[in-house]
Amino acid sequence: SQQGEEDPQALSIQEGENATMNCSYKTSINNLQWYRQNSGRGLVHLILIRSNEREKHSGRLRVTLDTSKKSSSLLITASRAADTASYFCATVREGGSEKLVFGKGTKLTVNP
Amino acid sequence: DTAVSQTPKYLVTQMGNDKSIKCEQNLGHDTMYWYKQDSKKFLKIMFSYNNKELIINETVPNRFSPKSPDKAHLNLHINSLELGDSAVYFCASSQDLRPRRKTQYFGPGTRLLVL
Repeated sequence: SQQGEEDPQALSIQEGENATMNCSYKTSINNLQWYRQNSGRGLVHLILIRSNEREKHSGRLRVTLDTSKKSSSLLITASRAADTASYFCATVREGGSEKLVFGKGTKLTVNP
Repeated sequence: DTAVSQTPKYLVTQMGNDKSIKCEQNLGHDTMYWYKQDSKKFLKIMFSYNNKELIINETVPNRFSPKSPDKAHLNLHINSLELGDSAVYFCASSQDLRPRRKTQYFGPGTRLLVL
C-alpha cells in the first residue's frame, strides 16, 4: 500500500501566515523528500532529510523528521501567494527497492 | 535550458490506438523514471531505468512498454489505449540509484486523454 500520507488534504491560509503540512509513512526509510507541484506542472524537489537527521532548513522551509513516529512535517513560514501549490512527501525505503514512494499530497492555497 | 523535457505536452486519442511519449534529460543522470498521476493527483511509479537497464517494473499492463535507446532518453509506448489510461504521465531523472542521490527532476508532464 501507499507509503506516505499527507495531512491535511487541503489547507487555505492568508499571505504572511505559516503553513504546516504533515506526512506519515509506514516502513523504515533511508530519506524523506518534499516536492512541490504547481498546477499543471511537474514536481519540483524542495528538500531532502535523511533518517539520521531531525530537522533541516532551506530558506522559508523547515522540515522535521521523527522516525519513532514515522512522520515528517513541512513548515512554510511567511507564506506568499506564489506558494500556492500541492506539496508531496516521498520516501526512499531503507534497504528496499529503489523507488521513491509518494503520498497523496496537500493542496495549499495562499490567499493574497 | 530544459533539464527534463517530454513530448507531446497534450495527447488526445481514441480508444484502441497506439501512442508514444518521449522523454529526454540533459542533466547527465544515470536513472530515469516514468510516473502516472491520476485525476486524484496520486503519483505512482511505473518504470525505472538505470543506464538503459530496466530496474523497476511495477504492476503495469504489458500494453505499456518503455524503451531507453541511451541513458538520456526514456520513451513510453502504449498499445491499445483504454479509457483508464487517461492521466498525466511524468518523466523524471535522478543522478543515480544511491538513496541519498534520489532527488528527482521532473518533466512538465504529458496529459493523455483517451476518448
